[in-house]
Amino acid sequence: DVKVTQSSRYLVKRTGEKVFLECVQDMDHENMFWYRQDPGLGLRLIYFSYDVKMKEKGDIPEGYSVSREKKERFSLILESASTNQTSMYLCASSFPGGREKLFFGSGTQLSVL
Amino acid sequence: KQEVTQIPAALSVPEGENLVLNCSFTDSAIYNLQWFRQDPGKGLTSLLLIQSSQREQTSGRLNASLDKSSGRSTLYIAASQPGDSATYLCAGESGGSNYKLTFGKGTLLTVNP
Repeated sequence: DVKVTQSSRYLVKRTGEKVFLECVQDMDHENMFWYRQDPGLGLRLIYFSYDVKMKEKGDIPEGYSVSREKKERFSLILESASTNQTSMYLCASSFPGGREKLFFGSGTQLSVL
Repeated sequence: KQEVTQIPAALSVPEGENLVLNCSFTDSAIYNLQWFRQDPGKGLTSLLLIQSSQREQTSGRLNASLDKSSGRSTLYIAASQPGDSATYLCAGESGGSNYKLTFGKGTLLTVNP
């Protein structure tokens, strides 16, 4: 069965902390994505990667960075967490070419206090 | 820039009813369109993907259609069940978007026993 695993289901952090969100997929997908989901705003793309060590900014990259050292793992980094980064973070992966479905992890609910 | 709209934001129906969820998009040069299901506090599950060259896709009681000329897609659910209660999101990928999907904000469906 296809699997995208996010390391934490719930996280509580303090303002100013550096936060790492980890995502691992077991489907050998080239593409990986980080979204955040907020009530009333829907899903917004933060960053995506189409290959190892490759990354592109999404619609809201400010305050975030990413790392993809291995094909199966895509990490989202909040350099200095702020309260407006409290959100549900969703990782996803897919094959390239636009003919394959997008697979999501179960999400990480991050609260920044 | 692609914009995706879903109306209504919420829908409540009695069990057994056939129903249609609507999705509209602004860029007719759409590459593909996916319908997702999201249960509360969980990630998204892709239900159906329609390529731009296709008119519809079917899976069990679900049928999704795509009309590029009118900028519309519909998700038809036959013989609805309480277990169908969830938020349904559509997302479109435009040509040249480098695999980035634009999501609608979803329709919250409640099927009452």
